[in-house]
Amino acid sequence: AQSVTQPDIHITVSEGASLELRCNYSYGATPYLFWYVQSPGQGLQLLLKYFSGDTLVQGIKGFEAEFKRSQSSFNLRKPSVHWSDAAEYFCAVGITDSWGKFQFGAGTQVVVTP
Amino acid sequence: EAGVTQFPSHSVIEKGQTVTLRCDPISGHDNLYWYRRVMGKEIKFLLHFVKESKQDESGMPNNRFLAERTGGTYSTLKVQPAELEDSGVYFCASSTTLAGGETQYFGPGTRLLVL
Repeated sequence: AQSVTQPDIHITVSEGASLELRCNYSYGATPYLFWYVQSPGQGLQLLLKYFSGDTLVQGIKGFEAEFKRSQSSFNLRKPSVHWSDAAEYFCAVGITDSWGKFQFGAGTQVVVTP
Repeated sequence: EAGVTQFPSHSVIEKGQTVTLRCDPISGHDNLYWYRRVMGKEIKFLLHFVKESKQDESGMPNNRFLAERTGGTYSTLKVQPAELEDSGVYFCASSTTLAGGETQYFGPGTRLLVL
């Protein structure tokens, strides 16, 4: 069955430290991959997306993600987190046989400590 | 450019009542999607409109949910009668073309609590 897994429900990181959020997917073909962020009281905001080309994708707010086909992963990274990065992060997959539908992971809540 | 807007932001109703959620997509976006997140679970697809037509409603939980998109503009999602398990956050999203990799732009969601 097709699935998207975010193994970490909750991550606590110190301000200035690096952050990596994991995302694994299970699909028959290479899907379209997205990372969204939801800050408190806000909607989902697109951070970055991958659908072809360079496997290292740069996004907004200093985030990047790397697509690794061999590991079926699309992990999100940021070298130095800011207090404003505290939010919930969602990995999503665009299902290629139903392009109108996204499948989401369960989300990772990021807490940033001083 | 205005983003996707949703109304109301919050709704608290009693079991058995009716609630109607509204979504206004980004102007010019033909594709409109509804998703739902039940507490502690992942965001799940409900349905997809292309203009005023339902393209895919495979995620609709049951016939208590009715979605419409009048004239291909705004959309409403009615729950009648509401049950306790309908509580959650309902997100609306829109996109321009129906192409692989097309970004969906999300609204802030409507938080529904059924008591």
